[in-house]
Amino acid sequence: RKEVEQDPGPFNVPEGATVAFNCTYSNSASQSFFWYRQDCRKEPKLLMSVYSSGNEDGRFTAQLNRASQYISLLIRDSKLSDSATYLCVCMDSNYQLIWGAGTKLIIKP
Amino acid sequence: DAGVIQSPRHEVTEMGQEVTLRCKPISGHDYLFWYRQTMMRGLELLIYFNNNVPIDDSGMPEDRFSAKMPNASFSTLKIQPSEPRDSAVYFCASAPYSGGSTDTQYFGPGTRLTVL
Repeated sequence: RKEVEQDPGPFNVPEGATVAFNCTYSNSASQSFFWYRQDCRKEPKLLMSVYSSGNEDGRFTAQLNRASQYISLLIRDSKLSDSATYLCVCMDSNYQLIWGAGTKLIIKP
Repeated sequence: DAGVIQSPRHEVTEMGQEVTLRCKPISGHDYLFWYRQTMMRGLELLIYFNNNVPIDDSGMPEDRFSAKMPNASFSTLKIQPSEPRDSAVYFCASAPYSGGSTDTQYFGPGTRLTVL
């Protein structure tokens, strides 16, 4: 079983719709969580950190559920430019980042 | 700052040849990471350095891979001899010290390696 698991997708979503991704992690000692975004043939870039109380950045909302060991990312009013692969990342107790394989999102006009 | 710089951006070589990938981290960052990304295996951490010292190389596939960081502004990842299964995108990332953790990592544009 992978330490960080994501649905690979692709998620095909019409523009303007709301889309949500989940990510599960196996290490209960994981300390910090992040969502990175990776455009096609580009490098990953930090989208947002995930805080225990949940956090929002514009159209993006991240949630953490430690009891069930999953994190989520919600994108509202999706734009064509949101098309990318979204990588779920957990930091373990040794401060190492453990990466999910990513969920591919395709926004269609 | 120019961000993390990697060279070359693309490399095509033949099996058995030596390949050297280069990375210049963001100035002032204490951590440097080498990753490999393939469709099959996703993003894999190969090795990381803290203040030029290798901390964890458990992700290095085998003895054909080696990495060095002779100073704070330069690192290399060498594959000798290269094999077709080494074909992948190799990313270098750097991160500042952040209260005991590395927090955000900043990635370079990657080197796309093809071994024929």
